Amino acid sequence: DAGVIQSPRHEVTEMGQEVTLRCKPISGHDYLFWYRQTMMRGLELLIYFNNNVPIDDSGMPEDRFSAKMPNASFSTLKIQPSEPRDSAVYFCASSIWDRGSPLHFGNGTRLTVT
Amino acid sequence: DQQVKQNSPSLSVQEGRISILNCDYTNSMFDYFLWYKKYPAEGPTFLISISSIKDKNEDGRFTVFLNKSAKHLSLHIVPSQPGDSAVYFCAARALIQGAQKLVFGQGTRLTINP
Repeated sequence: DAGVIQSPRHEVTEMGQEVTLRCKPISGHDYLFWYRQTMMRGLELLIYFNNNVPIDDSGMPEDRFSAKMPNASFSTLKIQPSEPRDSAVYFCASSIWDRGSPLHFGNGTRLTVT
Repeated sequence: DQQVKQNSPSLSVQEGRISILNCDYTNSMFDYFLWYKKYPAEGPTFLISISSIKDKNEDGRFTVFLNKSAKHLSLHIVPSQPGDSAVYFCAARALIQGAQKLVFGQGTRLTINP
């Protein structure tokens, strides 16, 4: 089991550029989550999918953020245009359906917007 | 509105002694609580969980206690080891209007001193 795979590990971009973060969940997991970690707000949920369908995107900060899950093995989080305040570590996580089942996190993408 | 709070940003404990990490929550709809451990440059990893119908769950050196009336849970690590040095996140889960909500605290940085 390779775990949740995120790419890239680090991304440095200039303000105004488009940024795309990628995630491959664990095979067989039907839930996928995108989280953002900052010093000020800790770990906050941005959006999650169930069976590739977005269920709750209330945590997506602005229209500049969008997420897709075209199939069970791939998801993207896009920021367009990026701003310096988007700088954070973005985590993807997956799980099976069971309220007691833990989320399995990837190692995150550290995004720096200059 | 911080629904899950870890009021101690850091904790320092002598090796071999007990580490106690605390977490408070406000939403009575939370029915599962989880602890995650995070090392630098890695994603959070699941440590232990507890259902709201229990008041204690033990796994090796780790024990989680839940006090529903006080809306408080704690993680005990006995005996503490240097490898336990990490950031610990408390998380609470609820099913609200058909959507899973997993809310994290801000984290507590635990340092085990030799």
